[in-house]
Amino acid sequence: DQQVKQNSPSLSVQEGRISILNCDYTNSMFDYFLWYKKYPAEGPTFLISISSIKDKNEDGRFTVFLNKSAKHLSLHIVPSQPGDSAVYFCAASGWVDDKIIFGKGTRLHILP
Amino acid sequence: DTGVSQDPRHKITKRGQNVTFRCDPISEHNRLYWYRQTLGQGPEFLTYFQNEAQLEKSRLLSDRFSAERPKGSFSTLEIQRTEQGDSAMYLCASSFGTVNQETQYFGPGTRLLVL
Repeated sequence: DQQVKQNSPSLSVQEGRISILNCDYTNSMFDYFLWYKKYPAEGPTFLISISSIKDKNEDGRFTVFLNKSAKHLSLHIVPSQPGDSAVYFCAASGWVDDKIIFGKGTRLHILP
Repeated sequence: DTGVSQDPRHKITKRGQNVTFRCDPISEHNRLYWYRQTLGQGPEFLTYFQNEAQLEKSRLLSDRFSAERPKGSFSTLEIQRTEQGDSAMYLCASSFGTVNQETQYFGPGTRLLVL
C-alpha cells in the first residue's frame, strides 16, 4: 500500500518552460513534505520542503504547493534548465513517525 | 567535505558472504538513518538511530541485517549470508534534532551487487 504516490514515471519539458511534478499521499498523519532530486549513482539531494501549516514554499526557481484537502502536492521549477534533468522524489513524514516515506520518483527530462 | 559519506561506494560479493557498510553522518547530526533503494523504487526505510540508540527497525530488516552506531557518530550496516535479493543501493542519511520535521541529508550510497 503506497502512502506516497508519484503517478508520472517520467516527464519531458522544454528548456525555459515550467516543469510541474505531482505527488499524492494517503496518510492524513503526514505533516511534513519534502522533494529530493537524484542523479544516477548519487544519493538523493534535498531540494525543498513544506510543513502542513503552509500551502506554498518558494526557494529560487523551486516552489512547492500543498493542497491538504486533496492530499496533493506539486513541485514547480521555473524556468527549467538542462541541469534539472534527474529523478525527483516526493517524500513525507508525520509527527508520530520519524521515518520518511518516499514515492517511486518521476524522471524529468529537460529538452534543449 | 562536510556532507554524509559512505564507504564503500560499490561492493560486489558472492551469495552467502557477509558485507559491512559504513556511514559517517554530518558531524553535528544526532540522527542517522539507513534506507535501501531498488530499481524503479524510492528509498525504503530500514532503521534509524538517535545518538547511539537504535529506535526503530523496519520489517524489511531481516535477522541477517544488523546496524550499529556504537559511539553515536558513524554507523555500520552488516548483511550476513547475502542473497541475490539484497542487491540494491544502500543509503545513509542524517539529521539534527529531537522532533520531527527535520530534513534528512543523504550520502552517495553504497551499491551492492550479490552474484
